Amino acid sequence: GAGVSQSPSNKVTEKGKDVELRCDPISGHTALYWYRQRLGQGLEFLIYFQGNSAPDKSGLPSDRFSAERTGESVSTLTIQRTQQEDSAVYLCASSFGQGTNTEAFFGQGTRLTVV
Amino acid sequence: GENVEQHPSTLSVQEGDSAVIKCTYSDSASNYFPWYKQELGKRPQLIIDIRSNVGEKKDQRIAVTLNKTAKHFSLHITETQPEDSAVYFCAASGYSTLTFGKGTMLLVSP
Repeated sequence: GAGVSQSPSNKVTEKGKDVELRCDPISGHTALYWYRQRLGQGLEFLIYFQGNSAPDKSGLPSDRFSAERTGESVSTLTIQRTQQEDSAVYLCASSFGQGTNTEAFFGQGTRLTVV
Repeated sequence: GENVEQHPSTLSVQEGDSAVIKCTYSDSASNYFPWYKQELGKRPQLIIDIRSNVGEKKDQRIAVTLNKTAKHFSLHITETQPEDSAVYFCAASGYSTLTFGKGTMLLVSP
């Protein structure tokens, strides 16, 4: 596609349920990032992929959060047993090249609401 | 890991004035410093970036300066316009995570 695509755009889930968020990066981009943005707040790093490997997953807030990437393409972020504090916009970004020192393009985000 | 501090958190200026946002970083290995603009309800978009082999870069009304010794970089917007109103994020990266500052909300009053 022309840009980074995320689905769903919005997700409302009940507390305790599991959710999966999907990111389709720009074709050929080897680096992929997930960030969390709470309302009116900054971009909180969650995890970084280079190809299908995650050299930095230090931002995952708890063991309820996990992510994977396959085919050096699509990535899914899974949140198990969701809590109200998980409510936020989850942003995915991708960039070209082996390092992280090239422009990162963001998707439109998934707005997650836990009720 | 990298830590990026950004100031101020909010900045209000009159149309036509200049705006300056400052960031510091902790990892001396960082060599790429992008700035992103995020309008309300939109995704962040790159407006300018600078690499560690350059001290200053300009693009029309926007300029970025980098002081590697002090681990400090700044965004300068001249002749501000109401459409410049947004949240601006600085970031730093080397060969791992792209780390963002907490953002500056810029309000430009007509």
